Amino acid sequence: EAQVTQNPRYLITVTGKKLTVTCSQNMNHEYMSWYRQDPGLGLRQIYYSMNVEVTDKGDVPEGYKVSRKEKRNFPLILESPSPNQTSLYFCASSLSPGLGYEQYFGPGTRLTVT
Amino acid sequence: GQQVMQIPQYQHVQEGEDFTTYCNSSTTLSNIQWYKQRPGGHPVFLIQLVKSGEVKKQKRLTFQFGEAKKNSSLHITATQTTDVGTYFCAIRGDSNYQLIWGAGTKLIIKP
Repeated sequence: EAQVTQNPRYLITVTGKKLTVTCSQNMNHEYMSWYRQDPGLGLRQIYYSMNVEVTDKGDVPEGYKVSRKEKRNFPLILESPSPNQTSLYFCASSLSPGLGYEQYFGPGTRLTVT
Repeated sequence: GQQVMQIPQYQHVQEGEDFTTYCNSSTTLSNIQWYKQRPGGHPVFLIQLVKSGEVKKQKRLTFQFGEAKKNSSLHITATQTTDVGTYFCAIRGDSNYQLIWGAGTKLIIKP
């Protein structure tokens, strides 16, 4: 089954404790992206990756890191989480949005930073 | 940078009434995508519009792209409980690989 998986689905952590949210897709998609979703603000892009070892900043990259060492995986790293990073996070993949392909989303990770 | 305004933020309807959400941009768009997010779920792609004046239908859903390619709308005829959720539009950002999203319109069916 074609899918995007994220782990963990829920995470409660404390300020400053490094964490990683994993994302994996099995569709051989070149493009992957991370979003955060906050009430009234829609989806805001954090980082995206056009292919292995190629990443770029989205609209809200501060406080986040990503890596793309393999085509299928695109982890999101919070080196020192802060309460303003409490949010719902989605990973997505597509053949390439530059060509107008649809994005497939993971189930989401709800992060709370206290 | 590229922005898209989506209105309204919420729409309460009785089951059987119609629903419409609008997305507007100050610049000409190359294309626009529409997604639906059910409560507690993740966004799911509905459709993409590319051509000026394009109209596409999916059962009770009608999608339109303005003649000037600066606005788009999603209209649902005779809403059902299965239509509940938030509808988002998305456009290409300043970079070909960026997507900019509208804030979403939440469809709420009145009990």
